[in-house]
This record gives sequence, C-alpha cells and structure tokens, in this order.
Amino acid sequence: AQKVTQAQTEISVVEKEDVTLDCVYETRDTTYYLFWYKQPPSGELVFLIRRNSFDEQNEISGRYSWNFQKSTSSFNFTITASQVVDSAVYFCALSLRISSGSARQLTFGSGTQLTVLP
Amino acid sequence: DVKVTQSSRYLVKRTGEKVFLECVQDMDHENMFWYRQDPGLGLRLIYFSYDVKMKEKGDIPEGYSVSREKKERFSLILESASTNQTSMYLCASRSPMTGQSSYEQYFGPGTRLTVT
Repeated sequence: AQKVTQAQTEISVVEKEDVTLDCVYETRDTTYYLFWYKQPPSGELVFLIRRNSFDEQNEISGRYSWNFQKSTSSFNFTITASQVVDSAVYFCALSLRISSGSARQLTFGSGTQLTVLP
Repeated sequence: DVKVTQSSRYLVKRTGEKVFLECVQDMDHENMFWYRQDPGLGLRLIYFSYDVKMKEKGDIPEGYSVSREKKERFSLILESASTNQTSMYLCASRSPMTGQSSYEQYFGPGTRLTVT
C-alpha cells in the first residue's frame, strides 16, 4: 500500500526563523512523483513543487527548498526566513500508477499546520 | 490562468436530502477528481474520472456517486446525506499523463458541507 506520513501536525515559529516540514512516503512503485501543496486560510490548494522519482537533485525556489532522499523515502520542505504569509496547511502527496485508465491518483499526507508569528 | 470552480463555498443540508456538488474546469482537462478533507486525515479521494462518462472509485466511495456528462463538469452526488458526510469537499482537474512527464492537479476553492 502507498502511504504519506507528515508526523508534524502543527508547527509554530517566529517570523524570520527557518522551518522544515517533514514528509516520509511508502510505495512499491519505481516510478512515482512527489508533490507539495499549500493551503492558505482561503482553502484553495496551491501547487508548490513536483519531483520525479528519477531525479534526486534538491531544488531551491526563492525562500523555499526541497530535499528529496530516496534512501530514506523522504521529501522534506524548508522555508528560509519565514514570513507571516507562509502560515498555512502544507500537504505532501505521492502520485501513483493505477491499474485501470491512464490517470494517476494522489495520496496525501495528513498535512502540517504552520503558523508564523510576527 | 487555470480555473476550477465549485458551485458553492458553503452548504447546509438536512439528513436524508439528495445533495449535488458541482465542479467546472476551463482547461480542457480529461481527468477530474473529488476529495474530501477532514482534520487529521488530509485529503481522501472519493471518485475520479479520466474522461467523459468514465468514472473510477477512489478510497472512500461509499455513500457517494458521480456524473461526468461533459468534459468540463464533474458532479458529486450524495444520494442521502448523513451527518458523517459533513466535510470540506475539494474538486481537482489535471491533464493526462504523457510519457514520463508528470503533472499537477489544480484544485477548486472547496465546498464546506454541513449535514444537520
């Protein structure tokens, strides 16, 4: 079975601190994709990043960075110099192959509520 | 810009009522999805559709059905609403997989349904 675990339910930091959100996944697929989504208080999920299982290169985008390690089945997300606007629920997700049709469904973790205090 | 809209942001229904949640996307995507989101459980897939008139059960289809008569519209139906279906419902759409490329799902703003 496929599974995504986000062990941190809630995290609070003070503005300008760095914060890392953990994500651990389980899958028997050799080809898979990992995602991070942000859900601000407005409710709409916003796509942040997609990572191919073949590519273990870390990625940096502004204050955001992602550390993908296949050896530990982890895909952690770091926000550097956090800001109040970063306050949101963050979801890690795994995209799998299914037996029928061409679609791949997403398996989500339970989410991490990040609160950045001024 | 990608756009997924849902018919209502908030909905209150009574136990036993038939409930329709509508989702429309303007990106000509083949694949569409319905999730429900509950605290501590993340998003769970109810049903998905990879083309018009096609549908597949997700992880928690019991008590729900879907309809996809047109490419841009995917409806979630609660045949007889119950209090345990009180939740946030999120619709998403995506273009189909091609080769080894991946793709993300685009989400609507969600419908918060309360069943009393």
